[in-house]
Amino acid sequence: EIVMTQSPATLSVSPGERATLSCRASQSVSSNLAWYQQKPGQAPRLLIYGASTRATGIPARFSGSGSGTEFTLTISSLQSEDFAVYYCQQYNNWPPALTFGGGTKVEIK
Amino acid sequence: QVQLVQSGAEVKKPGASVKVSCKASGYTFTSYDINWVRQATGQGLEWMGWMNPNSGNTGYAQKFQGRVTMTRNTSISTAYMELSSLRSEDTAVYYCARGSDAFDIWGQGTMVTVSS
Repeated sequence: EIVMTQSPATLSVSPGERATLSCRASQSVSSNLAWYQQKPGQAPRLLIYGASTRATGIPARFSGSGSGTEFTLTISSLQSEDFAVYYCQQYNNWPPALTFGGGTKVEIK
Repeated sequence: QVQLVQSGAEVKKPGASVKVSCKASGYTFTSYDINWVRQATGQGLEWMGWMNPNSGNTGYAQKFQGRVTMTRNTSISTAYMELSSLRSEDTAVYYCARGSDAFDIWGQGTMVTVSS
């Protein structure tokens, strides 16, 4: 099983600042990585797929980068609605054996 | 609009089974895989398995093999996830999600509580 490790567990950021979240895979997943945002009481929302492609309707302040084992989600200027938990997910295997990272909580500083 | 609507909350006793439904609308049900993901309170996301609604083919995470069954009824565009031999650790919100890699549409979640 591919293990996904996210860091930090919690990130304290002021509104308007930049946030950088990391995700590391235990083995290469190529660019088969997605990022999700989850707010309390809601289902996750797809932000990024293919490591760097924004999903439909996702603002340009969200960007993804990386390949292989190291990935980054950057939120260029945090808005109030961006404070949430973010998960990475790999989908490199076939047949599917998808795995999620443990999440990074982005909180108001 | 494209959506997945899940069945309501369930309370089950240890050892029982639960079957959660996920009804698709706004798109061709057989064109996209359905996955199931669960989340215990305050915890992260855990992928349980997938199903191809067209073929009925399934694949389960090793942790759930032997306890989970994913099925569908194409005539009503509905997917099902049944989990058996429930224990307290299965208490969680269960989500269905569309996609064969990244999941672009999610159901609203179904709370399953296992308690004696």
